[in-house]
Amino acid sequence: NAGVTQTPKFRVLKTGQSMTLLCAQDMNHEYMYWYRQDPGMGLRLIHYSVGEGTTAKGEVPDGYNVSRLKKQNFLLGLESAAPSQTSVYFCASSFLASGQSYQPQHFGDGTRLSIL
Amino acid sequence: KNQVEQSPQSLIILEGKNCTLQCNYTVSPFSNLRWYKQDTGRGPVSLTIMTFSENTKSNGRYTATLDADTKQSSLHITASQLSDSASYICVVSAYGNQFYFGTGTSLTVIP
Repeated sequence: NAGVTQTPKFRVLKTGQSMTLLCAQDMNHEYMYWYRQDPGMGLRLIHYSVGEGTTAKGEVPDGYNVSRLKKQNFLLGLESAAPSQTSVYFCASSFLASGQSYQPQHFGDGTRLSIL
Repeated sequence: KNQVEQSPQSLIILEGKNCTLQCNYTVSPFSNLRWYKQDTGRGPVSLTIMTFSENTKSNGRYTATLDADTKQSSLHITASQLSDSASYICVVSAYGNQFYFGTGTSLTVIP
């Protein structure tokens, strides 16, 4: 199994450009998440999804949109990139927690995005 | 305010030595506490998950402890190896599938 795969791994954009980050998981997980990681800060949740066709806002959703048309894929879109969105973006997925059995999040290796 | 604080921010130890990393939290209502290891340039990897009823959990040379009364956790690494060099992240989950991440402790193991 590949686990969680993120594409692309690196990207440089100009201010105002748009792009889509793709996350794919092959573990049949219900939950999927998008985080950003900035120096000196903990990971911050952008958007998440509890199942196919559903999405919800996290802590820092402004400037981003997401879609989950298929259970295995979770897309993160930047409509008009800004320098403040320069960051490392991580996708994660997990099973639904069952009773007292809490499930770990499985992370991809990140997309390093620079906005000039 | 829900917060997770980790200490120290960075740590350098000799190969073969033990070390302990700390995590204090103010997250409520508490659901579970997780420790992750993040190698440079990679995503975090789960080490342990503990609920309030568990006060210790091991994963190989990694042992996590939890004191839900004082809202403190520690991660003890025994007989460190060069491959233990990484950032260790404490994550506290609140009911409702909310996760609060610490900023991590950067551990460097030198030969």
